[in-house]
Amino acid sequence: QKEVEQNSGPLSVPEGAIASLNCTYSDRGSQSFFWYRQYSGKSPELIMFIYSNGDKEDGRFTAQLNKASQYVSLLIRDSQPSDSATYLCAVRSSNTGKLIFGQGTTLQVKP
Amino acid sequence: EAGVAQSPRYKIIEKRQSVAFWCNPISGHATLYWYQQILGQGPKLLIQFQNNGVVDDSQLPKDRFSAERLKGVDSTLKIQPAKLEDSAVYLCASSLWTGNYVNNEQFFGPGTRLTVL
Repeated sequence: QKEVEQNSGPLSVPEGAIASLNCTYSDRGSQSFFWYRQYSGKSPELIMFIYSNGDKEDGRFTAQLNKASQYVSLLIRDSQPSDSATYLCAVRSSNTGKLIFGQGTTLQVKP
Repeated sequence: EAGVAQSPRYKIIEKRQSVAFWCNPISGHATLYWYQQILGQGPKLLIQFQNNGVVDDSQLPKDRFSAERLKGVDSTLKIQPAKLEDSAVYLCASSLWTGNYVNNEQFFGPGTRLTVL
């Protein structure tokens, strides 16, 4: 079992729709969870992080965390073509603090 | 504020050759990370430094990879000898030490794309 799992996609949504990206993790002791966006040929950039159960909103983005189910998701409201990218879920290890990344989900927002 | 700097941006070598990458983190960032990102995968941590000490190098192939951060600022990652499977983007990241790792944000450099022929 991979430590952090994401569906590689591509996930295709029409412009203006809600995109839902999902991630599961195996380490129950994980403390914090990060969503990075990576455009093709570019380096990852942090969108948001969450460490408490529930929802965290930042503009069009909402991160949701359910530690009991070991599940974290990212919702993108009013999706724009500029949101087309690979979204990486990362989980911070409880032991060392290092980030463990999933393989990423490719999102395509069609005009 | 200047970001994380890396050089070179691209490198093409033949297998069994050696190669070195350089990283200069954001000023004041005590923690420095080297990641390997193979096409279609997420970044994988190779080594993490706190100042000039190694925190985690559990996934560094030590028979061929080495890294140093002598003065606790910039860092070099070396591969010797390179294999075909080392073709990847090597990302350097840095973060400010806040006393804990919980919400510690990592800032990534532009990466070095290595092609081994």
